[in-house]
Amino acid sequence: GAVVSQHPSRVICKSGTSVKIECRSLDFQATTMFWYRQFPKQSLMLMATSNEGSKATYEQGVEKDKFLINHASLTLSTLTVTSAHPEDSSFYICSVMEGGTEAFFGQGTRLTVV
Amino acid sequence: AQRVTQPEKLLSVFKGAPVELKCNYSYSGSPELFWYVQYSRQRLQLLLRHISRESIKGFTADLNKGETSFHLKKPFAQEEDSAMYYCALSATGAGSYQLTFGKGTKLSVIP
Repeated sequence: GAVVSQHPSRVICKSGTSVKIECRSLDFQATTMFWYRQFPKQSLMLMATSNEGSKATYEQGVEKDKFLINHASLTLSTLTVTSAHPEDSSFYICSVMEGGTEAFFGQGTRLTVV
Repeated sequence: AQRVTQPEKLLSVFKGAPVELKCNYSYSGSPELFWYVQYSRQRLQLLLRHISRESIKGFTADLNKGETSFHLKKPFAQEEDSAMYYCALSATGAGSYQLTFGKGTKLSVIP
């Protein structure tokens, strides 16, 4: 199956700064990648669908200007949390769907905003 | 819009006892349903999907369209089954492969 790698796995940043999270599909060309957010002891919430070469599709309630997504190539999507605040602290996970039948997930990025 | 409900946040069973993790869904079209598992300190991974009708690690799940359910079952729980389990639905009819997840059930198998 597809191998998905996220970087960094953990990041701590100061309030007001921006943080970029990378999601790489190592052995699979992904025209679409998905970004999720997971709060402690809660489910994964889809934030946005990242489309290669075009704009991302955001879920209702997700601020486009806050969470910037760039999918410049078939193997890389980035999520930038702009002007981060403590409430943005969370676990962010990306995934790709191979063959439309199975999702492969990155290991996740733990963001802590202090 | 689709919805996946897992009514139990936590399920504790003794080793060797049967396990049933409940999942109900709401979707107007024809859904594809999955169970994903997340072991401690590992990434989320697919356990099984209803299309393949297979048994993985002793787990099975049958799609019941009448009851809109996709419960996960295993006749004899093992300690290594302790993990977080997520039921997920893919609404592929729209040409998109987005997954909608339930809130998850933490399974704890007591030795």
